[in-house]
Amino acid sequence: DIQMTQSPSSLSASVGDRVTITCRASQSISTYLNWYQQKPGEAPNLLIYTASNLQSGVPSRFSGSGSGTDFTLTISSLQPEDFATYYCQQSYRTPYTFGQGTKLEIK
Amino acid sequence: EVQLVESGGGLVKPGGSLRLSCAASGFIFNTAWMNWVRQAPGKGLEWVGRIKSKTDGGTTDYAAPVKGRFTFSRDDSKNTLYLQMNSLQTEDTAVYYCSTMSDYGDFRNWGQGTLVTVSS
Repeated sequence: DIQMTQSPSSLSASVGDRVTITCRASQSISTYLNWYQQKPGEAPNLLIYTASNLQSGVPSRFSGSGSGTDFTLTISSLQPEDFATYYCQQSYRTPYTFGQGTKLEIK
Repeated sequence: EVQLVESGGGLVKPGGSLRLSCAASGFIFNTAWMNWVRQAPGKGLEWVGRIKSKTDGGTTDYAAPVKGRFTFSRDDSKNTLYLQMNSLQTEDTAVYYCSTMSDYGDFRNWGQGTLVTVSS
């Protein structure tokens, strides 16, 4: 199975900060990497697909990059509604696997 | 607008069975590949498995922890996805989400989830 490792596991930041979350795959997954945001009590919401493509309706302050084994999700200027948990997920092969999550909290 | 509505969750004893449903609308269900994802209380997301469209063979893939106990099926005439769960264990306690899978492999749309609690 492909293991996905996110860092950090938690992060404190302030409104307006630039934040980067990283995700590493245990083997190359090309660009089959997706990012989700989840708020408490809600279903996950797709932010970025195939590493760098912004899902329709997602604010442009979110961006993704990377290929192979190393990927990043960047939020250029944190807004209050961005405090949530973020997950990466590989769709290169089954079993599809998620990272353990990064909880973004208000400093 | 795409809508996915899960139902059928509840409290079940270890060793018991439960069937979840996911009613779909707002897209062409019979061509969609569908996934189940679960989330144990306070934990991260875990892929449960996938069922392809019948036109793509209708085949299923299961995560190792549920293989042999869980079965996916679909009724395209009812736009409904099913998850039959047998031999339930306490570690199966989770919110279960159904989701659509895009051509790019991401989980594009999600239901609100249904809670399954396995406890004596």
